Amino acid sequence: DTGVSQNPRHKITKRGQNVTFRCDPISEHNRLYWYRQTLGQGPEFLTYFQNEAQLEKSRLLSDRFSAERPKGSFSTLEIQRTEQGDSAMYLCASSATRDQETQYFGPGTRLLVL
Amino acid sequence: LAKTTQPISMDSYEGQEVNITCSHNNIATNDYITWYQQFPSQGPRFIIQGYKTKVTNEVASLFIPADRKSSTLSLPRVSLSDTAVYYCLVGAPYSSASKIIFGSGTRLSIRP
Repeated sequence: DTGVSQNPRHKITKRGQNVTFRCDPISEHNRLYWYRQTLGQGPEFLTYFQNEAQLEKSRLLSDRFSAERPKGSFSTLEIQRTEQGDSAMYLCASSATRDQETQYFGPGTRLLVL
Repeated sequence: LAKTTQPISMDSYEGQEVNITCSHNNIATNDYITWYQQFPSQGPRFIIQGYKTKVTNEVASLFIPADRKSSTLSLPRVSLSDTAVYYCLVGAPYSSASKIIFGSGTRLSIRP
């Protein structure tokens, strides 16, 4: 399968714990995006990378959130000191550099903070 | 920032043609129009993209009038499996990624 993969698919954690999600993009795609989606809403942009460089971060991305893409391949999104409001679906997408509107999404990681 | 407006929901029946219209009055010269489909508990899936006039692929058609202030996604002969949320986006390939806004989409329900 050459699509975007995300792990884990589901995560339940207690408030205050740290969680880390992983995204493996389509191998030839330079751009990688993270989104957050809550029930009934469309995905909201969080951050994006071109190769290993994090080029943009949304104001939604508080200091408790950090994302990395160390070798320009897979990416991780970490949430520190989770809060109940962090409960959402976290989506990763990738695209070729010249066509960022055509993004290929992974299945998402559903986070529930108790 | 090009904002889009879509109907919140639509209903139709199997075998019918469904047209979902999106308004984007402030579309910029370099903006493209892209539609995504999302099933529950899955990530969005790219359906079609266009700049002007008409684009057709194996899944859908996209109609864009000359002023480009709206677009219509046309799904021919829908089936139950087309029940999903459909998002209309406008944006330029080289613009800021944060300007890609999904909005709330149109929830399409197909009945037997």
